[in-house]
Amino acid sequence: AQSVTQPDIHITVSEGASLELRCNYSYGATPYLFWYVQSPGQGLQLLLKYFSGDTLVQGIKGFEAEFKRSQSSFNLRKPSVHWSDAAEYFCAVAAYTGNQFYFGTGTSLTVIP
Amino acid sequence: TAGITQAPTSQILAAGRSMTLRCTQDMRHNAMYWYRQDLGLGLRLIHYSNTAGTTGKGEVPDGYSVSRANTDDFPLTLASAVPSQTSVYFCASSDRGQNEQFFGPGTRLTVL
Repeated sequence: AQSVTQPDIHITVSEGASLELRCNYSYGATPYLFWYVQSPGQGLQLLLKYFSGDTLVQGIKGFEAEFKRSQSSFNLRKPSVHWSDAAEYFCAVAAYTGNQFYFGTGTSLTVIP
Repeated sequence: TAGITQAPTSQILAAGRSMTLRCTQDMRHNAMYWYRQDLGLGLRLIHYSNTAGTTGKGEVPDGYSVSRANTDDFPLTLASAVPSQTSVYFCASSDRGQNEQFFGPGTRLTVL
């Protein structure tokens, strides 16, 4: 069965510092991978997605993620964090033949000035 | 384009009462989903629908029912609410099952 693990429940970074949020997945075939962001009181917004091809994908708001098949990982990165990036971040995997997403439990990001 | 709308925004409900959460999308997406979000548990799929006229059970379907009479609407019904159904409920849609999902703004439900 598919599953997604986000090992960091909460991360605090200083504004301007770099950021990496970890995501590991369990899936037998090539997965479809996603990162979503949720601001307080809001729905989820897609940051980026990986279906195939180049393993480094660029998203909105300056985020990028790298798919590493050997490590079953899809970590999210940003070179310089802004205060407005404070939010909850969710990694998700979808099966190629399926119709369900599997979300991680989320990582809460706090940005300090 | 509105995308996905959900109603109500929030609701307080007495245990044992029934309630229907509404979800409407205007993107003509085939697939629609209902999730609940609880602290520390992330999003858990309640029910889904691949296309109008079909529905399926997700990870936590007990106590909930859905219908998909047409492409645009996907209501979620709690027949007899219990306090453990206190949660934030999100509706989502996608054009295909493995493509990105678009989310509504959520409904915050409190069952007392």
